[in-house]
Amino acid sequence: GDSVTQMEGPVTLSEEAFLTINCTYTATGYPSLFWYVQYPGEGLQLLLKATKADDKGSNKGFEATYRKETTSFHLEKGSVQVSDSAVYFCALKVPGGDNNDMRFGAGTRLTVKP
Amino acid sequence: EAGVTQSPTHLIKTRGQQATLRCSPISGHTSVYWYQQALGLGLQFLLWYDEGEERNRGNFPPRFSGRQFPNYSSELNVNALELEDSALYLCASSRTGTGTYEQYFGPGTRLTVT
Repeated sequence: GDSVTQMEGPVTLSEEAFLTINCTYTATGYPSLFWYVQYPGEGLQLLLKATKADDKGSNKGFEATYRKETTSFHLEKGSVQVSDSAVYFCALKVPGGDNNDMRFGAGTRLTVKP
Repeated sequence: EAGVTQSPTHLIKTRGQQATLRCSPISGHTSVYWYQQALGLGLQFLLWYDEGEERNRGNFPPRFSGRQFPNYSSELNVNALELEDSALYLCASSRTGTGTYEQYFGPGTRLTVT
């Protein structure tokens, strides 16, 4: 079935380091892809999305490109800050019809140290 | 525009009791989703309601149930509580239709079963 696999954490980086969190997907059609972020004690917030192949989603310095050939949607940021410490979830919207069913990855915890 | 709201913020129950969690979606959203997030784990899909009907259900026992009201707000009921039901319960809402409508999450209800 449709699913998302993201790299296991936790990931610990120093401030201003480069971040990559890998995400790959399996889907029968052409899903839309999302990254959500969950700060401590809060719900999930949409970080960015891409709806078709080669689309690049970006927000707050984070970027991810929808790669159909490698079925990937890796999250990147050039210079992380302490405030980026959170859990990041990759997700896909199951394609087809008006079904907004989504599949979430297991989450990757990022800790950024000053 | 008000976001998704959930109540209560925290709920403490004893084993065998029933818990009721509430969610109000963003205005204009007709779909409501419920997820369970146990400590250290990813999101587990529980239920999806749209236009007052249950559209999909995750792999949870029947003691997890809910409903959606005419104003699109929703209630999650957990009967015969077990210790392992302790988790953060997240509600999300979205528009419904053939577009790519991402889910917007509330802050969650932390349920503790003792």
